Amino acid sequence: NAGVTQTPKFRVLKTGQSMTLLCAQDMNHEYMYWYRQDPGMGLRLIHYSVGEGTTAKGEVPDGYNVSRLKKQNFLLGLESAAPSQTSVYFCASSRHTGGLSSYEQYFGPGTRLTVT
Amino acid sequence: DAKTTQPTSMDCAEGRAANLPCNHSTISGNEYVYWYRQIHSQGPQYIIHGLKNNETNEMASLIITEDRKSSTLILPHATLRDTAVYYCIVRVKYGGATNKLIFGTGTLLAVQP
Repeated sequence: NAGVTQTPKFRVLKTGQSMTLLCAQDMNHEYMYWYRQDPGMGLRLIHYSVGEGTTAKGEVPDGYNVSRLKKQNFLLGLESAAPSQTSVYFCASSRHTGGLSSYEQYFGPGTRLTVT
Repeated sequence: DAKTTQPTSMDCAEGRAANLPCNHSTISGNEYVYWYRQIHSQGPQYIIHGLKNNETNEMASLIITEDRKSSTLILPHATLRDTAVYYCIVRVKYGGATNKLIFGTGTLLAVQP
């Protein structure tokens, strides 16, 4: 049982380049989330998904796109990277009941992204 | 969501119990106390949660006062690997679609050899 995994662990991009971050979970969780963490800012929700084939915007969605084609995977895309997107990105998942999500969220190890 | 107050930092000797306090005097009847921790450069890790009864799992124990206005997370035998920032969060058990966790500043626990 690997829990939540993220690839890659580190990446350096040049401004304008694109990339996709992959999150995978093997806990059969319905809900998945992408957060970013910046010094002094805490965790901020970028996008989330309440199930396969569905995605929604969080509090800082601009510049990012997501897809959830399979229940176990949640992809975060940067179409044209900017230095302001330099951050540590965390994926998380949680189970649900009655359409609501538990606050027991399980996080991946993070992806450290630098945009120069 | 109820506000929580935690000490900024604490020290603990390796092998001793670490007791991390949290005040949540405005907690509502349907809100749970959740504890997470974040070890440097890693993702946040869920530890435990409880409503009003004391809870124990393989990682820690959670003691909630009878009036529910405060709680204590106990790591029974702290190791150097328990050095981390510990977050106390008060939320209902299940939330809506924008179910984001709100991490405050937490308590930096430094386990000393």
